[in-house]
Amino acid sequence: TQLLEQSPQFLSIQEGENLTVYCNSSSVFSSLQWYRQEPGEGPVLLVTVVTGGEVKKLKRLTFQFGDARKDSSLHITAAQPGDTGLYLCAGESLGSSNTGKLIFGQGTTLQVKP
Amino acid sequence: NAGVMQNPRHLVRRRGQEARLRCSPMKGHSHVYWYRQLPEEGLKFMVYLQKENIIDESGMPKERFSAEFPKEGPSILRIQQVVRGDSAAYFCASSPLRDTEAFFGQGTRLTVV
Repeated sequence: TQLLEQSPQFLSIQEGENLTVYCNSSSVFSSLQWYRQEPGEGPVLLVTVVTGGEVKKLKRLTFQFGDARKDSSLHITAAQPGDTGLYLCAGESLGSSNTGKLIFGQGTTLQVKP
Repeated sequence: NAGVMQNPRHLVRRRGQEARLRCSPMKGHSHVYWYRQLPEEGLKFMVYLQKENIIDESGMPKERFSAEFPKEGPSILRIQQVVRGDSAAYFCASSPLRDTEAFFGQGTRLTVV
């Protein structure tokens, strides 16, 4: 069974601080996605990374896919209260017959205090 | 272009009743995925459907749960004889093609009392 382990599970920081969320697995993924989910809402896709070593930036968010495509990280610079939410990584496994089925990590709950 | 529509948003059922969750995919999307999310957890894949076909139901419990995506109308996730452990948020996602970005609906929050 493929698993994605996210760490930390909970993070509470002050506005302006930097943070990194990690997503790790012992399995290789063909692609990895990061979502943000607010209470009572569905996940919203932030980014998809597909190439080992790939780095993508989205304003203050930086996403990296590990060289071996087994892990990923999300770094937020100068966090703002609006960044508060549940961050989920999700991977599409190799050999999943390209069904588009995603395996999700358990999520990181981020709270940014003003 | 409306997003993925799920209804109802909230559903309360007594133990033993049936729950029907509906998902209307985005226009032009023929691939539908259902996921379940327990409180403070990530999403767990349940089933992947195309029009009139179940492609992958490896995440569906063997009993009481079924899903369909008819030629006309929304996809339906049906839970018979609900138990308290079925209480969760159920999300539907749709995509235009296999292995392309899927967009999630807002979910149906099922509470079994």
